[in-house]
Amino acid sequence: AQKITQTQPGMFVQEKEAVTLDCTYDTSDPSYGLFWYKQPSSGEMIFLIYQGSYDQQNATEGRYSLNFQKARKSANLVISASQLGDSAMYFCAMSLYGNNRLAFGKGNQVVVIP
Amino acid sequence: DGGITQSPKYLFRKEGQNVTLSCEQNLNHDAMYWYRQDPGQGLRLIYYSQIVNDFQKGDIAEGYSVSREKKESFPLTVTSAQKNPTAFYLCASSKGADRAPSEAFFGQGTRLTVV
Repeated sequence: AQKITQTQPGMFVQEKEAVTLDCTYDTSDPSYGLFWYKQPSSGEMIFLIYQGSYDQQNATEGRYSLNFQKARKSANLVISASQLGDSAMYFCAMSLYGNNRLAFGKGNQVVVIP
Repeated sequence: DGGITQSPKYLFRKEGQNVTLSCEQNLNHDAMYWYRQDPGQGLRLIYYSQIVNDFQKGDIAEGYSVSREKKESFPLTVTSAQKNPTAFYLCASSKGADRAPSEAFFGQGTRLTVV
């Protein structure tokens, strides 16, 4: 079974600075996908970025980038130039090829301060 | 607009009553999911369905039931057997599992409070 670990305590980030959110995962399956979602206080889950286990390059989507270190089984999210609207919970998740069940970590709370 | 609609947004029920949460999608996705979220926690999978008329238990299925009679709809019933039903419930859908993983799209959630 997949396991996702997010252990950082809540973080305060200065506006316009970058923030890195840690995520480690555990699976014996070589074929998987890693996802990051944002959950603002309204509760909806917003997809941010995806990294496949066979992708050679780190994924990027606008201000979001994923630092994928396969050997270390880590998939850290980097948010550059933080904005006040980035204040939210951030969840790392994983699913396996052939099975789209997402396994989630417990999340990281980020508060961006002006 | 394409998306997932959950209703109602807030739901209050007395202890011992069954309650059904609605989830509808118009994304033409094959797979649908129900997750439960407790305060300060991640999402835990209750049930999922990869195709119409078929569904599987997730990690915390006890006290819940689902049906998938139509591709667009995946209602969740919280039964009186669920010992601690107060939580935030999220429905999601994604493309079929016969390919590389794809992102799940989520509804706005239903906050269920049992009194």
